[in-house]
Amino acid sequence: SSDLTQPPSVSVSPGQTANITCSGDKLGDKYVCWYQQKPGQSPVLVMYQDIRRPSGIPERFSGSNSGNTATLTISGTQAMDEADYYCQTWDRSTDVVFGGGTKLTVL
Amino acid sequence: QVQLQESGPGLVKPSQTLSLTCIVSGVSIGVGSDYWSWIRQPAGKGLEWIGRVFSSGSTSYNPSLRSRVTVSIDTSKNQFSLKLSSVSAADTAVYYCAREAKVVTSNWFDTWGQGTPVTVSS
Repeated sequence: SSDLTQPPSVSVSPGQTANITCSGDKLGDKYVCWYQQKPGQSPVLVMYQDIRRPSGIPERFSGSNSGNTATLTISGTQAMDEADYYCQTWDRSTDVVFGGGTKLTVL
Repeated sequence: QVQLQESGPGLVKPSQTLSLTCIVSGVSIGVGSDYWSWIRQPAGKGLEWIGRVFSSGSTSYNPSLRSRVTVSIDTSKNQFSLKLSSVSAADTAVYYCAREAKVVTSNWFDTWGQGTPVTVSS
């Protein structure tokens, strides 16, 4: 199956670490990327090929992918990180697949 | 700096064809290894990839939409387009165009347009 499952919501206190997961069958055998989307704005790429940060993305964002789960980790979470986050991968049969999205709340 | 801008009607009648164009600036879409994609997002919901086009004109589509979608490229105008036929209310969404980097078994969308809302209603 090419479905990607994300928790609908994750909450974190300012300064703490947020872990947003993305699960799928043998996901670790594929590359995963992550997008951040704030209300009323277009998505922004924050991680690609599992662990690579695009230019301009803060170092507090990191990624991992193993087994059936990919994780986007935000260390020292800031209020500005509050947003929806989407994982995405490529599958040979269905091509591009997005996860359902996770709403990150910083409170 | 690469920029993408969607344009097209914001209201389409049921059963008609939705047509959108994405004007690209800052890079020539006729050269290079990038792909050019369309993605949509219904209000309050997640992202759905629609299809892509390469500079050569080759295309790939979401299997669930393939029968209704056409993505084309006009390198002379540095733009690419989306046509979605036989639309229904289920096609109401914000439509984004995006630049896609694609390397063997990996892809990512590194530049997005601002998005254009399209409503399907009579």
